[in-house]
Amino acid sequence: AQTVTQSQPEMSVQEAETVTLSCTYDTSESDYYLFWYKQPPSRQMILVIRQEAYKQQNATENRFSVNFQKAAKSFSLKISDSQLGDAAMYFCANFGNEKLTFGTGTRLTIIP
Amino acid sequence: GAVVSQHPSWVICKSGTSVKIECRSLDFQATTMFWYRQFPKQSLMLMATSNEGSKATYEQGVEKDKFLINHASLTLSTLTVTSAHPEDSSFYICSASGRGQGAEQYFGPGTRLTVT
Repeated sequence: AQTVTQSQPEMSVQEAETVTLSCTYDTSESDYYLFWYKQPPSRQMILVIRQEAYKQQNATENRFSVNFQKAAKSFSLKISDSQLGDAAMYFCANFGNEKLTFGTGTRLTIIP
Repeated sequence: GAVVSQHPSWVICKSGTSVKIECRSLDFQATTMFWYRQFPKQSLMLMATSNEGSKATYEQGVEKDKFLINHASLTLSTLTVTSAHPEDSSFYICSASGRGQGAEQYFGPGTRLTVT
């Protein structure tokens, strides 16, 4: 069985600053993928970044980057130069055994 | 990018009636579609996975006779909530993935169901 744990229900950050959201996971799969999704108030799920487990290099997408520690089963998301539009729920997810398992989410607030 | 639509976006129905939610992939062929349920301020819970032309695979605890899923074509899947009750009120989200897309899922905008 897969589990995904997000230990920070809420986080806040000053605009233009950097924030890191934590995520740990557990899986028995050897081949899996990890994702961060953003869910703004509209509730549309938006893919932020993905990481293939077989890749050692951390994924980056503009202001978003991850710190993937495979041995520790840790997958944190760093948001640099935070913007007001980054305010949302962020879900960490693990795709393995043909299904996506989500964490409980972190609500990110941006302070102007 | 790949686009997935859902219809309706919001529906109110009376207890005991059935309601159908449609999920369409607009610009790609969806070999697999997923249905999720999300309660307020909670995460997404996978209800079932459907492959085109095959019966859906339901997650443990999901009543297959209450939540009927049909994936009759490569662009359309439907979720029918039968004999709806107030406890079925929730936000339902579908996602789709295509051949060769691996783990990538494209999400619909969701449907808010309220059962009175």
